[in-house]
Amino acid sequence: GENVEQHPSTLSVQEGDSAVIKCTYSDSASNYFPWYKQELGKRPQLIIDIRSNVGEKKDQRIAVTLNKTAKHFSLHITETQPEDSAVYFCAAIARQLTFGSGTQLTVLP
Amino acid sequence: ETGVTQTPRHLVMGMTNKKSLKCEQHLGHNAMYWYKQSAKKPLELMFVYSLEERVENNSVPSRFSPECPNSSHLFLHLHTLQPEDSALYLCASSPLPDGAFTDTQYFGPGTRLTVL
Repeated sequence: GENVEQHPSTLSVQEGDSAVIKCTYSDSASNYFPWYKQELGKRPQLIIDIRSNVGEKKDQRIAVTLNKTAKHFSLHITETQPEDSAVYFCAAIARQLTFGSGTQLTVLP
Repeated sequence: ETGVTQTPRHLVMGMTNKKSLKCEQHLGHNAMYWYKQSAKKPLELMFVYSLEERVENNSVPSRFSPECPNSSHLFLHLHTLQPEDSALYLCASSPLPDGAFTDTQYFGPGTRLTVL
């Protein structure tokens, strides 16, 4: 089955700096890669996604890149703010949805 | 947010109890999901229902029994659970009817389950 690895597990950045979270996947049939943000005590919410026919997608301060050949995709957050602090999950979907283990992002004021 | 609701929000049960978790979605979606979220582990997909039919059962122990009476409601029946089953149980829904899982998952707030 699909295996999704996510790194790092924890990440601390200064406010205003950029944050990058990386995921790799094993199933070359995966064709959809969503990213979810889960604030403490709250439900996961989709923040951005990318499909396999696209290499990059941006939405304001958030961007996702996909390298299908290398089977990895990354989340980039620029100009980080304290409210960006949360756990971020990547996921890959081939036949079923498989999540990464999560990254605890802390933005220090 | 009221799109996907779950009750109860917190549940404490003994190993010999029988309880049920309820999920309701008000989004008109056709697929519903149960996930288990344990500390420091990935979200684990447990069950998927598409158009009220179970399409995925990811080797979940039989002490967890799902039920989907209609496209808006999903239950997870629990019996003779173990302490290691303590976790946050999340329900989600998505619009697609074919279980292709390519569409956005809308999560409920979760039920925090503690098994004593």
